Amino acid sequence: RKEVEQDPGPFNVPEGATVAFNCTYSNSASQSFFWYRQDCRKEPKLLMSVYSSGNEDGRFTAQLNRASQYISLLIRDSKLSDSATYLCVVNPGTGFQKLVFGTGTRLLVSP
Amino acid sequence: NAGVTQTPKFQVLKTGQSMTLQCAQDMNHEYMSWYRQDPGMGLRLIHYSVGAGITDQGEVPNGYNVSRSTTEDFPLRLLSAAPSQTSVYFCASSYSQGPMEPQHFGDGTRLSIL
Repeated sequence: RKEVEQDPGPFNVPEGATVAFNCTYSNSASQSFFWYRQDCRKEPKLLMSVYSSGNEDGRFTAQLNRASQYISLLIRDSKLSDSATYLCVVNPGTGFQKLVFGTGTRLLVSP
Repeated sequence: NAGVTQTPKFQVLKTGQSMTLQCAQDMNHEYMSWYRQDPGMGLRLIHYSVGAGITDQGEVPNGYNVSRSTTEDFPLRLLSAAPSQTSVYFCASSYSQGPMEPQHFGDGTRLSIL
């Protein structure tokens, strides 16, 4: 089983739609969780950290479910500019920031 | 705002050649790391450094060397390039190794080994 698993997609949605991605992780001792965004052939950029109580940043909401070992990202009112690959990233807590990256979920928002 | 700067952006090598991928950051970050990204796989940690003079291996260190003589620079050396090292390489830095500390990535080096 992979340490971090994501549905690769693509998720094809129209502008204005709400879309959600899940990501599962295998290490129950994992300390911290993130969503990064990666545009085609560009570097990953932090979208948001995921806090235990869940957190929201504008149209984006992240949730953590430790019991079921998954995190989620909800995007409301999708924009064309949201088209990208969303990487689930987990810090397993094994020292330094040995982050474990998922392979990403591709989102395509169409007019 | 330079952030993390990687050079070169593209490189083609022949099998057996050596080269150095450069990475520099101007944010006074102590922590730096190198990742490779291959199709169908997540970014994988090659080597990392927690400060000048201190480096350690990540998940996939074979075939690569690093050094950290200054806080700013963290070059990655390919000793004898192999086709399996064809990849996109990202350098990243962070201010601390706190669990919620974000990593800042350079814009990558696309390396092809023939």
